Amino acid sequence: DAGVIQSPRHEVTEMGQEVTLRCKPISGHDYLFWYRQTMMRGLELLIYFNNNVPIDDSGMPEDRFSAKMPNASFSTLKIQPSEPRDSAVYFCASSSAGMGTGELFFGEGSRLTVL
Amino acid sequence: KQEVTQIPAALSVPEGENLVLNCSFTDSAIYNLQWFRQDPGKGLTSLLLIQSSQREQTSGRLNASLDKSSGRSTLYIAASQPGDSATYLCAVRPPSGGGADGLTFGKGTHLIIQP
Repeated sequence: DAGVIQSPRHEVTEMGQEVTLRCKPISGHDYLFWYRQTMMRGLELLIYFNNNVPIDDSGMPEDRFSAKMPNASFSTLKIQPSEPRDSAVYFCASSSAGMGTGELFFGEGSRLTVL
Repeated sequence: KQEVTQIPAALSVPEGENLVLNCSFTDSAIYNLQWFRQDPGKGLTSLLLIQSSQREQTSGRLNASLDKSSGRSTLYIAASQPGDSATYLCAVRPPSGGGADGLTFGKGTHLIIQP
């Protein structure tokens, strides 16, 4: 398996622009998580899905952030409008409850810089 | 709310030494605990996963222990090598169900192995 695939790997944009980050989880995994990592706050859970349904979005910082999972193999995290304080590395991760272990596998991350 | 603390925040040791990284968590009701490695600019790589019913897991030169009642885990690295230099993160997952499946991460221990 290719693992969790994220795109783009790097994104530089200007304040006010819309940003869309994409994630393809590992095939067969029924949980998908979006995390944000900054030096100050470490890794923070933004939102997660189970069987394509959002379960907990309490970590989403503001209404400017939204996430969707239209099918089992694709998810997006959108920021509109973007602000400089959104600059961070955004990670997508997936796991399978069916496997019993709940081990989490991460993508390589999308490094976002908002100027 | 679960809180995870990792001590020390940074560690530098000569090559060949055995070392221990510490992780503590405030809520002992966990589903599992996972240790990750993160290289600069990269995603997180899962090293070891310990289920709540287990006491330890081993993989090569790595050994992770779990004392759930005291809210502690340790990662033991034997015969350290320069290639072990990375940030090591500990994360706990709450019991399944109830919509609280996301991992809570510590801030990590930045490890440098001196050649």
